[in-house]
Amino acid sequence: SQQGEEDPQALSIQEGENATMNCSYKTSINNLQWYRQNSGRGLVHLILIRSNEREKHSGRLRVTLDTSKKSSSLLITASRAADTASYFCATDATRGAQKLVFGQGTRLTINP
Amino acid sequence: DAGITQSPRHKVTETGTPVTLRCHQTENHRYMYWYRQDPGHGLRLIHYSYGVKDTDKGEVSDGYSVSRSKTEDFLLTLESATSSQTSVYFCAIGTGATDTQYFGPGTRLTVL
Repeated sequence: SQQGEEDPQALSIQEGENATMNCSYKTSINNLQWYRQNSGRGLVHLILIRSNEREKHSGRLRVTLDTSKKSSSLLITASRAADTASYFCATDATRGAQKLVFGQGTRLTINP
Repeated sequence: DAGITQSPRHKVTETGTPVTLRCHQTENHRYMYWYRQDPGHGLRLIHYSYGVKDTDKGEVSDGYSVSRSKTEDFLLTLESATSSQTSVYFCAIGTGATDTQYFGPGTRLTVL
């Protein structure tokens, strides 16, 4: 079963607007990661946030983590056409096999 | 793509034939992974390796085997391909079990 679930499944916005994607998970984690996948390409790591962190920034990306709600959000500010991609969260689990589990992703489309 | 290549990039084969996919890295990372990506299922782990000759199963390992005789190469074998194994296969590498993963460009496999 998937550990992380992204919401929404698809998001379409105008260039320049902000995009927010959410990830919920079920069990306690050590860290949560976000990846981007452009069409036909492999996944690219964006940011990692640890369970003791609440917010992290990288350029136009802002990630928050709420361990009490078992959820994370990825905010992309001032979106560009090049941000069109699928975005995945990946979680580990504090118990059991040490592996990442990926969600099904949010498909983001930026309209010019 | 972080010094990671996959071959072949595309393959069409027939049901019942054996298929081997190769992942090659130049980063000397300890961990290597094979995933498959299918619509509606996201990214699912098939097998992974945590060192030369050290491998373990993922969540969808049935029908697949792997081998790692050298740090840089991780082979995925479908002993007798089935149509349900039509998918896009990604290899990934990492330094730790749940650390950042770096993905290859993918192999699109079609089993007729």
